[in-house]
Amino acid sequence: DSGVTQTPKHLITATGQRVTLRCSPRSGDLSVYWYQQSLDQGLQFLIQYYNGEERAKGNILERFSAQQFPDLHSELNLSSLELGDSALYFCASSVTSGNTNEQFFGPGTRLTVL
Amino acid sequence: AQKVTQAQTEISVVEKEDVTLDCVYETRDTTYYLFWYKQPPSGELVFLIRRNSFDEQNEISGRYSWNFQKSTSSFNFTITASQVVDSAVYFCALGGKAAGNKLTFGGGTRVLVKP
Repeated sequence: DSGVTQTPKHLITATGQRVTLRCSPRSGDLSVYWYQQSLDQGLQFLIQYYNGEERAKGNILERFSAQQFPDLHSELNLSSLELGDSALYFCASSVTSGNTNEQFFGPGTRLTVL
Repeated sequence: AQKVTQAQTEISVVEKEDVTLDCVYETRDTTYYLFWYKQPPSGELVFLIRRNSFDEQNEISGRYSWNFQKSTSSFNFTITASQVVDSAVYFCALGGKAAGNKLTFGGGTRVLVKP
């Protein structure tokens, strides 16, 4: 158990819908990262927050957004969903802002768009 | 740009055989960090090891060992006396300033250990 929690574990929805994925980092970690894992793209970094502020952006679509709240939990919002958004979404946390320390991953949210 | 290549997509072995997973990386950073993660069939990503570019000392931890060679930009991982529970996808990852704050992952190597 990494100490990172993600809810829900599974999500099934229809095209055009909007969903929110939630992540709570390990106790003491200030950084939260979101990654998408799909069969064709592998593990792709989406976005990072550090202590409530956006710090880095990767291949995140404009239909996707995220935020980190004062209690450090984070939410990833996916809207106007398409079939291709079906993937495993991971949240990871680390103590620092940079990528020099290991990131601890949550169990993931498996999103299926029908 | 940073890049991680895991040329082996799948390795199948019989229990108790040794398994070596290859990882080759590219980076323009002089200081960088390498990681190995394991993704068992249950889906979670489990952190295994972190190495910085200044530390080329190889490490053994139980049945796991790592061979970091800066000269060939490789960070290989060996499982000794494999067990069925080692069946998983293993990812090599790279971190460093050139990539900003993200980890760059390789495509993963699926290890199947048969009883």
